[in-house]
Amino acid sequence: GAGVSQSPSNKVTEKGKDVELRCDPISGHTALYWYRQSLGQGLEFLIYFQGNSAPDKSGLPSDRFSAERTGGSVSTLTIQRTQQEDSAVYLCASSFLGEKLFFGSGTQLSVL
Amino acid sequence: AQTVTQSQPEMSVQEAETVTLSCTYDTSESDYYLFWYKQPPSRQMILVIRQEAYKQQNATENRFSVNFQKAAKSFSLKISDSQLGDAAMYFCASTEVASGGYNKLIFGAGTRLAVHP
Repeated sequence: GAGVSQSPSNKVTEKGKDVELRCDPISGHTALYWYRQSLGQGLEFLIYFQGNSAPDKSGLPSDRFSAERTGGSVSTLTIQRTQQEDSAVYLCASSFLGEKLFFGSGTQLSVL
Repeated sequence: AQTVTQSQPEMSVQEAETVTLSCTYDTSESDYYLFWYKQPPSRQMILVIRQEAYKQQNATENRFSVNFQKAAKSFSLKISDSQLGDAAMYFCASTEVASGGYNKLIFGAGTRLAVHP
């Protein structure tokens, strides 16, 4: 596809379960970002991948959060033992030149 | 840490009128970029306009323009001839050079714009 693709669009899970969120960036984009948008809030930076370099994980809120990017393309954000405060929209973005980000439509995560 | 402040949680405008959304930022960078993103109910963030800090001239994209005041660290968005399709959340963002040397976007909390017919 031409844009950033995220799946699933919506995810409802029970507290304590693990979830995986997927992001497929624009082909050729070397940089990939994950952001979290809680209700009524701005976007909170989570993690950044650039090519084969070590990711910047400085925004991950706890060790329950992890992410990987395979082959420099698709990325998966994993949240273990989900808590109700994890409920948010998780947005993925990719870029080529660094300052212009293209976003996906996000995954709405609801933890019951 | 760099911050971006949007002091207007909600704004409204009549169709065909003009509205200005405010944004201030705090950065120690000498060179940076500023952005306005629109987020409709579909959730996808759409880039509205981009300003390079070293450029004096205010950026313009059709009905959208900015008033960039570098010394005051202010970056407001003006929407002229507002249309119903402009109703959305609007986020102001600035770049911050992260420890890894890459550009990270820092976002404000957003302004919800309602457009009334």
